[in-house]
Amino acid sequence: KQEVTQIPAALSVPEGENLVLNCSFTDSAIYNLQWFRQDPGKGLTSLLLIQSSQREQTSGRLNASLDKSSGRSTLYIAASQPGDSATYLCAVGSNDYKLSFGAGTTVTVRA
Amino acid sequence: EAEVAQSPRYKITEKSQAVAFWCDPISGHATLYWYRQILGQGPELLVQFQDESVVDDSQLPKDRFSAERLKGVDSTLKIQPAELGDSAMYLCASSSEAAEETQYFGPGTRLLVL
Repeated sequence: KQEVTQIPAALSVPEGENLVLNCSFTDSAIYNLQWFRQDPGKGLTSLLLIQSSQREQTSGRLNASLDKSSGRSTLYIAASQPGDSATYLCAVGSNDYKLSFGAGTTVTVRA
Repeated sequence: EAEVAQSPRYKITEKSQAVAFWCDPISGHATLYWYRQILGQGPELLVQFQDESVVDDSQLPKDRFSAERLKGVDSTLKIQPAELGDSAMYLCASSSEAAEETQYFGPGTRLLVL
């Protein structure tokens, strides 16, 4: 069974600082990896999807890297803003369309 | 932009009562998922549908939970009887046929069992 771990569980930074969120997984036979954002009491919004053949994906201030062999992914958020405050979830996809989620990293960006 | 719809958004019930949640996926999405998310944890898959067929319900507590997607479009998740430990967020998601496509999530139903 795929186990997904996210460290740290919580992070607080001043506005403008870069954010680094880590995700590790136990089974390297993945189909893809996704990063989601979840605001309190809300559903999940997909941020980035990295196929297993890719090493990274970028969208605006967000960049996600994937190292399948070491079972790691990192989400970088540049120049953080208070609006980036949320929980960020890493999910590993299998070829049967299933996602295995980490518990998330809760980010607070202080103005 | 198309979205996954869920109702109700919030539900408070007493233990031993029955509750039902409804989900309408994005039009044309063949795959539908129900997840349960306990506070402070990531979502866990309860059931996965491909059209009207159940693909995976291995994590669904079948003594009290049931799910259906009769016409391969919208879906209902039922709990009977509800227990205190069922308090959680219930999320519905849908995706197209392609495994490389992302899952789109609805806003969720927050259930509180008293």
